[in-house]
Amino acid sequence: AQRVTQPEKLLSVFKGAPVELKCNYSYSGSPELFWYVQYSRQRLQLLLRHISRESIKGFTADLNKGETSFHLKKPFAQEEDSAMYYCALNAGNMLTFGGGTRLMVKP
Amino acid sequence: GAVVSQHPSWVICKSGTSVKIECRSLDFQATTMFWYRQFPKQSLMLMATSNEGSKATYEQGVEKDKFLINHASLTLSTLTVTSAHPEDSSFYICSARVSAGLSGTQYFGPGTRLLVL
Repeated sequence: AQRVTQPEKLLSVFKGAPVELKCNYSYSGSPELFWYVQYSRQRLQLLLRHISRESIKGFTADLNKGETSFHLKKPFAQEEDSAMYYCALNAGNMLTFGGGTRLMVKP
Repeated sequence: GAVVSQHPSWVICKSGTSVKIECRSLDFQATTMFWYRQFPKQSLMLMATSNEGSKATYEQGVEKDKFLINHASLTLSTLTVTSAHPEDSSFYICSARVSAGLSGTQYFGPGTRLLVL
């Protein structure tokens, strides 16, 4: 069965500092991975997906099949990046979510 | 972008009442919709997968007679919590998938907060 692990429940950084939110997965098939973000009192939103190889709001994530990881990175954190971040794996017909990491960016 | 709405956004009811939650895809057709449950400070847990015109597929541990799902059209799925009890109080979130396969991005509704007294 597929599994997504986000080892950090809370990550606190200062504005301008680099950020890395960790995500590891286990899945026997070809993974399709996503990062979703949930700002305070807002719905869950798609941030990026690995097949697009895009950078959204300065965030990037690279799929590392050898390490089964899909870490989310941003070189310079902004206060408006404070939110809950969920890594998710699309396996067949369903999304499996990690436990989420709360990012707090302090001024 | 793809927009998913939910109604109601908030409901308080007495124990024993049945509550219906609607999930609509506003600007696209969704052959598949998903229902999740989220407890405070926890991640989303998939409850069931709803396919238009067919019976929903429930995850292990989710009572299908308790959580009735109907997906009668390509833009509407409903979740009915039957004979709700306080332990059913939670945040219920639906999502809709634009297309199947490897590009199956899910778009999420704003959620419905249910409080059973």
